[in-house]
Amino acid sequence: KAGVTQTPRYLIKTRGQQVTLSCSPISGHRSVSWYQQTPGQGLQFLFEYFSETQRNKGNFPGRFSGRQFSNSRSEMNVSTLELGDSALYLCASSSGMDNEQFFGPGTRLTVL
Amino acid sequence: GENVEQHPSTLSVQEGDSAVIKCTYSDSASNYFPWYKQELGKRPQLIIDIRSNVGEKKDQRIAVTLNKTAKHFSLHITETQPEDSAVYFCAATSGGGADGLTFGKGTHLIIQP
Repeated sequence: KAGVTQTPRYLIKTRGQQVTLSCSPISGHRSVSWYQQTPGQGLQFLFEYFSETQRNKGNFPGRFSGRQFSNSRSEMNVSTLELGDSALYLCASSSGMDNEQFFGPGTRLTVL
Repeated sequence: GENVEQHPSTLSVQEGDSAVIKCTYSDSASNYFPWYKQELGKRPQLIIDIRSNVGEKKDQRIAVTLNKTAKHFSLHITETQPEDSAVYFCAATSGGGADGLTFGKGTHLIIQP
């Protein structure tokens, strides 16, 4: 089985811009979760999608949003980028029926 | 919400010795506790997990123990090898998959030759 894939792997944006990141889960998995990883805050949960529905979200501002398509691929969007949004954004794939989550390689976002 | 504390932040051990990393959690509803290993520049990799109906689980040189009463769980690595050097994260969650993982801050494990 192919693993979790994320595109792009690296992204450089300027403050005020918006960005869209993509995640393709393991074949057959219907749940995608998104996490932000920074040196200061560590790994923090953004939101989780299952069968195109957001089931849960973490404590992030409304500038962070996501969606999931019928083929389980997911995108997350960050609008009005701030310097503090610079981070590694990881998605995790799960069957959605248990808790095992498998991470993608991440997208490294740098905001200048 | 859930809060996970992880100690120590850095652990240096001699090759061949054992390493123990400890985590505590706050939400008694948490029922799934995975451990991830993250090497520099790579993705977190699930190495072992334990559910609340089990007290201990082993996989070769790695074991995890869970004490639900005290709300803490630990990762034990025996006969450490250079390739064990990495950052290890513990996490906790409740629910059947909808809830996100709450992670500890990580432990940088250094294996000294």
